[in-house]
Amino acid sequence: DGGITQSPKYLFRKEGQNVTLSCEQNLNHDAMYWYRQDPGQGLRLIYYSQIVNDFQKGDIAEGYSVSREKKESFPLTVTSAQKNPTAFYLCACTGGNYEQYFGPGTRLTVT
Amino acid sequence: SQQGEEDPQALSIQEGENATMNCSYKTSINNLQWYRQNSGRGLVHLILIRSNEREKHSGRLRVTLDTSKKSSSLLITASRAADTASYFCATGGGSNYKLTFGKGTLLTVNP
Repeated sequence: DGGITQSPKYLFRKEGQNVTLSCEQNLNHDAMYWYRQDPGQGLRLIYYSQIVNDFQKGDIAEGYSVSREKKESFPLTVTSAQKNPTAFYLCACTGGNYEQYFGPGTRLTVT
Repeated sequence: SQQGEEDPQALSIQEGENATMNCSYKTSINNLQWYRQNSGRGLVHLILIRSNEREKHSGRLRVTLDTSKKSSSLLITASRAADTASYFCATGGGSNYKLTFGKGTLLTVNP
């Protein structure tokens, strides 16, 4: 059953802690993306990766970090430097035809 | 930066009516896509229209693209309560397959 998964669905953290969000895909797609969505807003690109061991900053990369050690995995770390980390985080991948496949999202709440 | 802007921000109709959503964008594009998002879930790809196409159909969906006006419309015919969701347009143009999303239209279909 091919797809893209994110875990956990809900995540709660105290301010000042780093937290890592998981994104895994078995679609054999090269490109992967992380987006942030705030209430009533569209998606804003945080980071993207077109190939293993390479990634690029998106529009709002400050306070976030990523790694791409395996084709199927693209974890996102929300660091304590991110000033307003509470949001809905979406991971996506594409095989090169522009259509993006999205995971179910992780809702992060930082208090 | 968000290139696509959907209009209206919210739309409420009765079951069986048609729903039309519009999207405007600012720069030249390779393609324009429409996605659907149910509350608290990931996005699902609906339809892609390339810059050299003017109209495309998929089931009850009809998309038009006017590159001279930098605008697109999504028509959902014979709407159903299950069509209730947010709809986003996304534009793509580069070789990195990045997409830029608008803020979305919240469609409510009343039974």
